[in-house]
Amino acid sequence: AQRVTQPEKLLSVFKGAPVELKCNYSYSGSPELFWYVQYSRQRLQLLLRHISRESIKGFTADLNKGETSFHLKKPFAQEEDSAMYYCAFRMDSSYKLIFGSGTRLLVRP
Amino acid sequence: NAGVMQNPRHLVRRRGQEARLRCSPMKGHSHVYWYRQLPEEGLKFMVYLQKENIIDESGMPKERFSAEFPKEGPSILRIQQVVRGDSAAYFCASSPLAYNEQFFGPGTRLTVL
Repeated sequence: AQRVTQPEKLLSVFKGAPVELKCNYSYSGSPELFWYVQYSRQRLQLLLRHISRESIKGFTADLNKGETSFHLKKPFAQEEDSAMYYCAFRMDSSYKLIFGSGTRLLVRP
Repeated sequence: NAGVMQNPRHLVRRRGQEARLRCSPMKGHSHVYWYRQLPEEGLKFMVYLQKENIIDESGMPKERFSAEFPKEGPSILRIQQVVRGDSAAYFCASSPLAYNEQFFGPGTRLTVL
């Protein structure tokens, strides 16, 4: 079955430290991968998608088809990065998003 | 553009009652998706609707759950005879076309007593 695994429920780092939020997916086709973020008391919003290959708020993510991973990285974490992060993917020619269970990132001062 | 609107934000029901959750998509969006998030889990797809049509309801329980998106007015997710296991956050998303970015609403948190 298609699924997304985010192994860490909570990731706590100090301000300025590098961050890597892990995401692995199980799907043999050509997926479209996303990272969504939910800041405190705000709605879920798209952070980035692999097809755009851009950096948003200093975050990047590279799709590794060999390892079926799409880890989210930032070299220097900021306190305002503290939020819930969800990895999601969509199978080719599908509209359904399949979400991981999320990782809470806590950036300490 | 006010974004996707959902109401109520919080809904409390006793077992056996009905729950109605409403979703108004963003202006210009005719595609609506409902997702459910159980505690400690990710969002799970329930149903996809276009105006007046259910396109895919494969993620929705066969009994007690129904959804509609009428020509006028919001999309409605209806849960009849609620049970404690229905307690969850229900999110609605909308998009202008089927494979475009989905924009999410703030969610409705349903608590069944």
